[in-house]
Amino acid sequence: KNQVEQSPQSLIILEGKNCTLQCNYTVSPFSNLRWYKQDTGRGPVSLTIMTFSENTKSNGRYTATLDADTKQSSLHITASQLSDSASYICVVSGDILTGGGNKLTFGTGTQLKVEL
Amino acid sequence: DAGVIQSPRHEVTEMGQEVTLRCKPISGHDYLFWYRQTMMRGLELLIYFNNNVPIDDSGMPEDRFSAKMPNASFSTLKIQPSEPRDSAVYFCASSSLAGVHNEQFFGPGTRLTVL
Repeated sequence: KNQVEQSPQSLIILEGKNCTLQCNYTVSPFSNLRWYKQDTGRGPVSLTIMTFSENTKSNGRYTATLDADTKQSSLHITASQLSDSASYICVVSGDILTGGGNKLTFGTGTQLKVEL
Repeated sequence: DAGVIQSPRHEVTEMGQEVTLRCKPISGHDYLFWYRQTMMRGLELLIYFNNNVPIDDSGMPEDRFSAKMPNASFSTLKIQPSEPRDSAVYFCASSSLAGVHNEQFFGPGTRLTVL
């Protein structure tokens, strides 16, 4: 069964600190892995998308890594800000043809809170 | 572009009533998705369309749910009759096969409460 597991479930850090969120998946076939940020009361917004051949991808203070051999990904947030408080969702696509569609498997997210 | 537009943003209704959620995808996108999000189950795909044609509705929980896409710029998700367990946030998303990895862009969601 295709699954995406994220850890930790929730995390509280102080502003300015770094943090790393984890994602393990058992999706096959694999097309790409996405990290989404979801602010409270809003829809998810894509941070990064990586194919199996990409080991790392950055988007500002966000850096995602992918190890397709161990089926693990991480999202590293540098110099956290209050605005980083959100849910971070790992999503794996098994749709080789289109990279999307109904082959998306969602994690349940990591709830991050950044405090002063 | 205004992004994916959903209406209403909030809906409160009583059990047994019909509920219609609306979505306007990003212009030019050829895929449209309906999702449901709850605390317990996270995001779940209900149905998706390609070029206005339903491709996979296996995520639709039961016959009370139906979705239509009469044209490229409009889709509806209908629940009839609604039940308290349908309470959730419903998201519409759209994407383009021509885009990078068919990235999906989500709307702001409709928060549905069934009393």
